[in-house]
Amino acid sequence: GAVVSQHPSWVICKSGTSVKIECRSLDFQATTMFWYRQFPKQSLMLMATSNEGSKATYEQGVEKDKFLINHASLTLSTLTVTSAHPEDSSFYICSAGQGQTNTEAFFGQGTRLTVV
Amino acid sequence: GESVGLHLPTLSVQEGDNSIINCAYSNSASDYFIWYKQESGKGPQFIIDIRSNMDKRQGQRVTVLLNKTVKHLSLQIAATQPGDSAVYFCAEKGGSTLGRLYFGRGTQLTVWP
Repeated sequence: GAVVSQHPSWVICKSGTSVKIECRSLDFQATTMFWYRQFPKQSLMLMATSNEGSKATYEQGVEKDKFLINHASLTLSTLTVTSAHPEDSSFYICSAGQGQTNTEAFFGQGTRLTVV
Repeated sequence: GESVGLHLPTLSVQEGDNSIINCAYSNSASDYFIWYKQESGKGPQFIIDIRSNMDKRQGQRVTVLLNKTVKHLSLQIAATQPGDSAVYFCAEKGGSTLGRLYFGRGTQLTVWP
């Protein structure tokens, strides 16, 4: 299957700083990518849809100024957690779809963010 | 988004037994469902999918059943192995955007030798 790679795998940052997470589709082009957030022992929550060349579409309740998404190319989307606080500590996962019809999304390996 | 939930948060089975993981969904218009396996600290891994025009789909050691009447999905794993131990999520397609998914709560499957 298609490969989606995230970087970094884990990051620790201080409160008030910003952190950027990258999501790359390695062997296919993705006009649309997705960002999820997962707290321990909970499910994945869809945060936003990242659209290449245009603004991201955020799910209800997700602060777009807090979670900045940029999708500048067909293989790269970035999520920046701005002014991070301990409650932003979570597992962030991206995915990208492939194909023209209903198909599974391929997921990155996730990024563990810890804000101290 | 619409909720997709699971009945059992944990399931323990003995190696070699069959496992059944259940999932209920609330959006009767959902037309595509996927089961994912997630190991600790990793991203979800695709297992099997099913469209709403099907009742059953089989893969290698796995079968997904879809009952649209009661809005229920199940994942059956045959001859469960220790390597199957993980959290299993069902997900439904969220709207018209391909790849956009809403996930259920998850079931922790533990396989004992």
